[in-house]
Amino acid sequence: GAVVSQHPSWVICKSGTSVKIECRSLDFQATTMFWYRQFPKQSLMLMATSNEGSKATYEQGVEKDKFLINHASLTLSTLTVTSAHPEDSSFYICSAGTSGPTDTQYFGPGTRLTVL
Amino acid sequence: DAKTTQPTSMDCAEGRAANLPCNHSTISGNEYVYWYRQIHSQGPQYIIHGLKNNETNEMASLIITEDRKSSTLILPHATLRDTAVYYCIATSGGTSYGKLTFGQGTILTVHP
Repeated sequence: GAVVSQHPSWVICKSGTSVKIECRSLDFQATTMFWYRQFPKQSLMLMATSNEGSKATYEQGVEKDKFLINHASLTLSTLTVTSAHPEDSSFYICSAGTSGPTDTQYFGPGTRLTVL
Repeated sequence: DAKTTQPTSMDCAEGRAANLPCNHSTISGNEYVYWYRQIHSQGPQYIIHGLKNNETNEMASLIITEDRKSSTLILPHATLRDTAVYYCIATSGGTSYGKLTFGQGTILTVHP
């Protein structure tokens, strides 16, 4: 199957700092990538849809100025959590879709963010 | 996307078949049924998807009822490593471009 990677796998930062998370599709090109967030014991919640070469589309309630998304190429999307606070501590997961008649969305391994 | 309903949890003995049901009674004609699973602290893993015909791959089989209002994911010989949360999602074709809405899923526990 298609492989999606994320870096870093975990990060600890101080409150007020910014953190960048990378999402890469390793063996396919993805016009669209997605960013999800998952709090403990909860399901995944979509944060935004990232399209290559255009602005991301954010879900209701997600602050676009706080969660900056860049999709500069067909294999790379980045999520920057700006001025992170403890409540931003979560598991961030990206996904990328293969194209075609039976296209499928594949997920990265996730990034555990802890804000102190 | 159609709402899906799954049991909260299920148990299965190692080596036996695990049958995970999913109800999607309001599914529309162009919506596929996708199954993913999430092992603790990992990203979801794609398992299988189908529209109306039964599907089988190296991981599982998907049985969709003729009226498409429900489906069953079958893991033919469950192992301890199959312990995970299993998500059934109904979505219109084009997951490259459309978002997936995750419910609470079914916690499958495979025991020795």
